[in-house]
Amino acid sequence: DIVMTQSPLSLPVTPGEPASISCRSSQSLLHSNGYNYLHWYLQKPGQSPQLLIYMASNRASGVPDRFSGSGSGTHFTLKINRVEAEDVGVYYCMQGLQSFYTFGQGTKLEIK
Amino acid sequence: QVQLQQWGGGLLRPSETLSLTCDVHGGSFSGYFWSWIRQSPGKGLEWIGEINHSGETDYNPSLKSRVTISGDTSKNKFSLKLTSVTATDTAVYYCARMEMNMEAFDIWGQGTLVTVSS
Repeated sequence: DIVMTQSPLSLPVTPGEPASISCRSSQSLLHSNGYNYLHWYLQKPGQSPQLLIYMASNRASGVPDRFSGSGSGTHFTLKINRVEAEDVGVYYCMQGLQSFYTFGQGTKLEIK
Repeated sequence: QVQLQQWGGGLLRPSETLSLTCDVHGGSFSGYFWSWIRQSPGKGLEWIGEINHSGETDYNPSLKSRVTISGDTSKNKFSLKLTSVTATDTAVYYCARMEMNMEAFDIWGQGTLVTVSS
């Protein structure tokens, strides 16, 4: 199994300030095709998870450009350059490299 | 716009069989993988298994002995059966579509709470 580890698990942020979440995998997620199969999801309160970033750095359709993803291999980062109130929820990373797909524990972002 | 609508679940007794179905509205069943994922307070998000339009399946090794995922391409739906449930199977269950090129779940169902209790 590929183990996904996120930090921090709790992230209080002042609106307008930046935020950053780290995700590490127990194995490299870099495929031979050059893509990293690491994805980010946001689960807003009371909702299903929604795809934010796919393949480490590509924003999904409709995702604001204040969200960005970076990283390669085993270390990845999700950044929000100016947090807004609507960004509250739990953020998950997920590996799509092996079909036993696995998720991080989640990072709960809250507004200060 | 593709939407996934799931139904089934509810309250189950230990040892019963969990049955859920996910209807695919507004899109094709072909060309994608279709998964079941569950979320419990103790274990976070856990992938259960998947099926493609050809009927090929893959399962989480920890659940493989109890899980069956089936699909009906003519009706654009797929289903989950989990046998011999226990309290540890209590969770919100989601169906989700995986876009094959990105290997990411781009569309999710609304979620269904399944509670196992005697």
